[in-house]
Amino acid sequence: DGGITQSPKYLFRKEGQNVTLSCEQNLNHDAMYWYRQDPGQGLRLIYYSQIVNDFQKGDIAEGYSVSREKKESFPLTVTSAQKNPTAFYLCASSKTGTPEAFFGQGTRLTVV
Amino acid sequence: ILNVEQSPQSLHVQEGDSTNFTCSFPSSNFYALHWYRWETAKSPEALFVMTLNGDEKKKGRISATLNTKEGYSYLYIKGSQPEDSATYLCAFERNTDKLIFGTGTRLQVFP
Repeated sequence: DGGITQSPKYLFRKEGQNVTLSCEQNLNHDAMYWYRQDPGQGLRLIYYSQIVNDFQKGDIAEGYSVSREKKESFPLTVTSAQKNPTAFYLCASSKTGTPEAFFGQGTRLTVV
Repeated sequence: ILNVEQSPQSLHVQEGDSTNFTCSFPSSNFYALHWYRWETAKSPEALFVMTLNGDEKKKGRISATLNTKEGYSYLYIKGSQPEDSATYLCAFERNTDKLIFGTGTRLQVFP
């Protein structure tokens, strides 16, 4: 079945460690996005990529990094520079020219 | 910073009640307004994408209207059912291909 897969569902890390969240899609979508959700807030855009080997910062990119070496994959690294990394992270993808976005099921990251 | 506001933040209704909630967004450089339904433990799913002022969309008992001049959209649910319980997100899209989400309205329908 076509879809977008995030792994793992839950992730625990010690403070000061970098951690990478996986996002894979087999929908042949050009665009991929990473959002973060905190309690009482909407989804906030971290990074997005419209095409392979290119990506743009969103509204809250500080402390995060991404890569887009393959069309299917858009991993997000939460670095030790991110001051409040504990959050729920959602990955999405969309086809160019089609406004609808498809979402993964999210990764809940807890940093202790 | 663009603000997309949704109200109310949460809503509790009885089965069979009709309900509606609001999404407010900047009225300049409008491209599209999206509504998503997000059930607990699942991925958000697209309900509607609206692009034209005056647009009305309907899917079963759920419908939405759009006013781009004044910057708001309403989502209506007629005869709410327990399975309608979810968070309803709206997202504003400018001509930059970025979706800016509101905080959502959490709907709970009691049998």
